[in-house]
Amino acid sequence: NAGVTQTPKFQVLKTGQSMTLQCAQDMNHNSMYWYRQDPGMGLRLIYYSASEGTTDKGEVPNGYNVSRLNKREFSLRLESAAPSQTSVYFCASSETWSGHLAGQGGYTFGSGTRLTVV
Amino acid sequence: KQEVTQIPAALSVPEGENLVLNCSFTDSAIYNLQWFRQDPGKGLTSLLLIQSSQREQTSGRLNASLDKSSGRSTLYIAASQPGDSATYLCAVRPQRNSGYSTLTFGKGTMLLVSP
Repeated sequence: NAGVTQTPKFQVLKTGQSMTLQCAQDMNHNSMYWYRQDPGMGLRLIYYSASEGTTDKGEVPNGYNVSRLNKREFSLRLESAAPSQTSVYFCASSETWSGHLAGQGGYTFGSGTRLTVV
Repeated sequence: KQEVTQIPAALSVPEGENLVLNCSFTDSAIYNLQWFRQDPGKGLTSLLLIQSSQREQTSGRLNASLDKSSGRSTLYIAASQPGDSATYLCAVRPQRNSGYSTLTFGKGTMLLVSP
């Protein structure tokens, strides 16, 4: 099925370890996003990429880096994991405002990565 | 700054009831509004997408309305079923060049439909 694929689904890290969360979409969307979801805080934007070759900080970028590898793939890296980064991470994609796809600017989300940092 | 509020935060109803979930937003300069469903431990599933020029969208037992000028949207669920139990999230996408980068989410309404 077309959509957004995230890997891994679950991960446990020790404090100070690094890891990369992978995300790929097959809808030919220009824009991709990384969110984290925490109880009581809702969904917060970490980084986004409006188009291939560009990335920008969101609301909570500290401790993270991203790479827009190509139009399909957008990865999130934790260089030195901290317990405060324990969360559920979601990748999403969308067409740009001026897009004319049938989706009309709606967002599609991946199934998430549950990360625990101990 | 755009703020999205969802009321109620939680709702418990018996099966078969019709119900309304509310979403309000502070900045009416939106491109579209999207309703999502999230089951426990799962990702977000898009339910309905309403463009800023539209008044409502329907899908099966779901109907979403949008009143952009007053900053309100409602999600109407007809003849609720236990399988509708989930958290429902409302999100608004800003207009281009509004200064906002992406969706602003409400904190959701947790719905429980009992048999």
